[in-house]
Amino acid sequence: DAGVIQSPRHEVTEMGQEVTLRCKPISGHNSLFWYRQTMMRGLELLIYFNNNVPIDDSGMPEDRFSAKMPNASFSTLKIQPSEPRDSAVYFCASNRGVSRETQYFGPGTRLLVL
Amino acid sequence: KNEVEQSPQNLTAQEGEFITINCSYSVGISALHWLQQHPGGGIVSLFMLSSGKKKHGRLIATINIQEKHSSLHITASHPRDSAVYICAAAISNYQLIWGAGTKLIIKP
Repeated sequence: DAGVIQSPRHEVTEMGQEVTLRCKPISGHNSLFWYRQTMMRGLELLIYFNNNVPIDDSGMPEDRFSAKMPNASFSTLKIQPSEPRDSAVYFCASNRGVSRETQYFGPGTRLLVL
Repeated sequence: KNEVEQSPQNLTAQEGEFITINCSYSVGISALHWLQQHPGGGIVSLFMLSSGKKKHGRLIATINIQEKHSSLHITASHPRDSAVYICAAAISNYQLIWGAGTKLIIKP
């Protein structure tokens, strides 16, 4: 299996622009996680999907952030409008959603908002 | 006080040394994860523990549920072990409380 795939790997944009991050989970995994990593706050869970349904979005910072999972093999995280404080590495992870299971992380998208 | 605390925050050692990284937690957990993040940024799961001890190559992870403490050991450390090691406490089937990470540098 190719593992969790994320795109783009790097994104540089200007403040106010829309940013869309993409994730393809491992085939057969029905749980998907979006995380944000910054130096100040470490890893933070933004949103958790199970069977394509958002279960916990309490970590989404504000209305500028939205996430979708239209099918089992694709998810997007959108920031509109982007702000410099959104600069971070965004990770997508997936697993089968059973108890006590490892999460498999994608390579991350490094976002810089100027 | 953070719910998951790691020590040390930074560790520099010589190649060949035995390395210990500690993780203490104050919450009820279903499992404790150890992960590795290389300078390139990728995150890899090393271990998931709910009791006892696990070993994989030169890496050993232990957990003491009563004391709410886990350790990650590296034997015969090598420069390629240089990375950030993160422990994370699983408090539900999807929620992890993350430690701040230990930055390990192994000098040749």
